[in-house]
Amino acid sequence: DAMVIQNPRYQVTQFGKPVTLSCSQTLNHNVMYWYQQKSSQAPKLLFHYYDKDFNNEADTPDNFQSRRPNTSFCFLDIRSPGLGDAAMYLCATSRDPTGKDMDTEAFFGQGTRLTVV
Amino acid sequence: AQTVTQSQPEMSVQEAETVTLSCTYDTSESDYYLFWYKQPPSRQMILVIRQEAYKQQNATENRFSVNFQKAAKSFSLKISDSQLGDAAMYFCAYSKAAGNKLTFGGGTRVLVKP
Repeated sequence: DAMVIQNPRYQVTQFGKPVTLSCSQTLNHNVMYWYQQKSSQAPKLLFHYYDKDFNNEADTPDNFQSRRPNTSFCFLDIRSPGLGDAAMYLCATSRDPTGKDMDTEAFFGQGTRLTVV
Repeated sequence: AQTVTQSQPEMSVQEAETVTLSCTYDTSESDYYLFWYKQPPSRQMILVIRQEAYKQQNATENRFSVNFQKAAKSFSLKISDSQLGDAAMYFCAYSKAAGNKLTFGGGTRVLVKP
């Protein structure tokens, strides 16, 4: 009954070779977030989609892109991975980014650990 | 911009004892939400407890409780009767709304000794 599913769990890519990470959800949530978590650090938001609207964080490098073809799926594309992009990438969803109801909190997937060689 | 600070990189607790994790935050908002997330070695982030800033009553979830001091911008987590399964990284997080994007603190690793 996994609700936010990230594939693959582990991804090894070559330096400079484009890579795509995927996230799917069965919750029918409006919002999907991508966080980057480097070793022993706090997760840092890269961007999010509110329905079809893309919202980029100001300090997210151009190397990172995202696509959301439908409500259930969201992809993280890294165009030219560098060694510094090795990290855990966490996908999260929420029903309503402005709601006050406490059942609108975020649900996280298990993450994809990216290794760049 | 909002910031969240966790001053304890690591805390150790004996099984069945109590441990308190500290968190401070900075915001100019009057309405916001605070969360404690647990991230076990399997790495899935799990919500432990949440607090709405407009509520004065401290949140409690079974063995987990918070001490929310709005004026001091402090939000500590108390884990009572610690169990081996409580061993994990704990993140304090801030959000402007319940489902909004999260700003995380640096995390506190909790070790539970049998």
